[in-house]
Amino acid sequence: QSVLTQPPSVSGAPGQTVTISCTGSSSNIGAAYDVHWYQQLPGTAPKLLIHGNNIRPSGVPNRFSGSKSGTSASLAITGLQAEDEADYYCQSYDSSLNGDVVFGGGTKLTVL
Amino acid sequence: QVQLQQSGPGLVKPSQTLSLTCDISGDSVSSTSAAWNWIRQSPSRGLEWLGRTYYRSKWYNDYAVSVKSRITISPHTSKNQFSLQLNSVTPEDTALYYCTRDLGGDFDCWGQGTLVTVSS
Repeated sequence: QSVLTQPPSVSGAPGQTVTISCTGSSSNIGAAYDVHWYQQLPGTAPKLLIHGNNIRPSGVPNRFSGSKSGTSASLAITGLQAEDEADYYCQSYDSSLNGDVVFGGGTKLTVL
Repeated sequence: QVQLQQSGPGLVKPSQTLSLTCDISGDSVSSTSAAWNWIRQSPSRGLEWLGRTYYRSKWYNDYAVSVKSRITISPHTSKNQFSLQLNSVTPEDTALYYCTRDLGGDFDCWGQGTLVTVSS
C-alpha cells in the first residue's frame, strides 16, 4: 500500500483532458514537500514529467501540467494523444518516514 | 547528456547478497549538487526508493527504513560509478532495479533497469 494514493486507472478520448490525482497527508504533501510526476511507457524506465509541483523539464510538451494544494497534487493532460498512454507516478517525501522518498501506486492512462 | 548504465547479475539465491553497479557518464559521482540513488519496482510494492549516496565535502548515505539493516550504497570515484549491495535477500526482493540521479528532490535521469530474480 503506497503512502501516496493515486487512482489505478483513468481514460479519455483523443483531444480530451484527463486529470490524475495524488493524495497524501500532513507528513508528506501537506508538509510542503514538493511533488514530482513521472511517465513510464511500457518496457521503459520512468521519465521525469513534472518537478517542483508544476515545472516542466525541457522537452516536455506544455499539454502536461501539475498543481498542488493542501495534501493533494494533480497532473493534468490536455489534448490527449495516443502516445500519452502510459503509467504515471507521483513522488514526494515523508517526514514520518525519516524523510524517505515516497511514491504513489501509479495510474494507468488509457487513450480510448 | 547524463547517462547511467547498470550492470550486475539477474539471478540471486535466497539469503545471498544482491550486487549491482551503475556507471555514470556526463556527470561525476563526486558532484556536490547531485545524489545517486537506487530505486526498485515490483508489481507488489510498486516504485520503492532504497537509498542514496552523495558528496558534500564528505560522503553521506541515506537509506530507506524498510531496508536499512541490509543495504549498502557505495561510491567508486576512480571508476565514476556507484553500487548497491542488498544482503540476505528473499523472493520479496525480486524486482526491477534502477539507478537514478537526483539534483534536488526529483529523479531526472534513470538507468535502463536490471531485473533481479531471487530464486534457488
